[in-house]
Amino acid sequence: RKEVEQDPGPFNVPEGATVAFNCTYSNSASQSFFWYRQDCRKEPKLLMSVYSSGNEDGRFTAQLNRASQYISLLIRDSKLSDSATYLCVVNGDTGRRALTFGSGTRLQVQP
Amino acid sequence: DVKVTQSSRYLVKRTGEKVFLECVQDMDHENMFWYRQDPGLGLRLIYFSYDVKMKEKGDIPEGYSVSREKKERFSLILESASTNQTSMYLCASSVSGTYNEQFFGPGTRLTVL
Repeated sequence: RKEVEQDPGPFNVPEGATVAFNCTYSNSASQSFFWYRQDCRKEPKLLMSVYSSGNEDGRFTAQLNRASQYISLLIRDSKLSDSATYLCVVNGDTGRRALTFGSGTRLQVQP
Repeated sequence: DVKVTQSSRYLVKRTGEKVFLECVQDMDHENMFWYRQDPGLGLRLIYFSYDVKMKEKGDIPEGYSVSREKKERFSLILESASTNQTSMYLCASSVSGTYNEQFFGPGTRLTVL
């Protein structure tokens, strides 16, 4: 089983729609969770961290479900500029300083 | 403004060549990372370094080595390039401590013929 699993998509949604992605992780001891965004032919950039109580940043809401070992990202009122690949990131191995990246979910927002 | 630069955007090499990929960050970060990114496989960690002259293997270190002689520079070396090392290579850096935001360079698209 992969350490971090995501539905690759693509998710094709109209402008203004609400869309949600889930990501599952295998290590129950994981403590840190993030969503990164990667535009086509660009480098990944941090979108938001995911906190235990859930957190919101404008139109973006991230949630963590430890019992089921998944994190989610909800995007409300989708914009064309939200079209990108969203990477789920977890610290998979608590003995290691590095993070583990999922392979990403592609979102295409259409006019 | 945070900046991570990589020596080349595109590189074409022949099988068996020794290849050097350079990464420089200007943020005084302690941690530096090398990943490769392939379709369907996501980012996979090759090596990382948390201090000058320190390195740790990532998930796929075979066929690669690294060098960190100065804090701002982290080099990835392909000792004898092979076609299965054709990939996008991304360098990243972060402040010390674990699990902090990583800042990525623009990537090097390496093709090995």
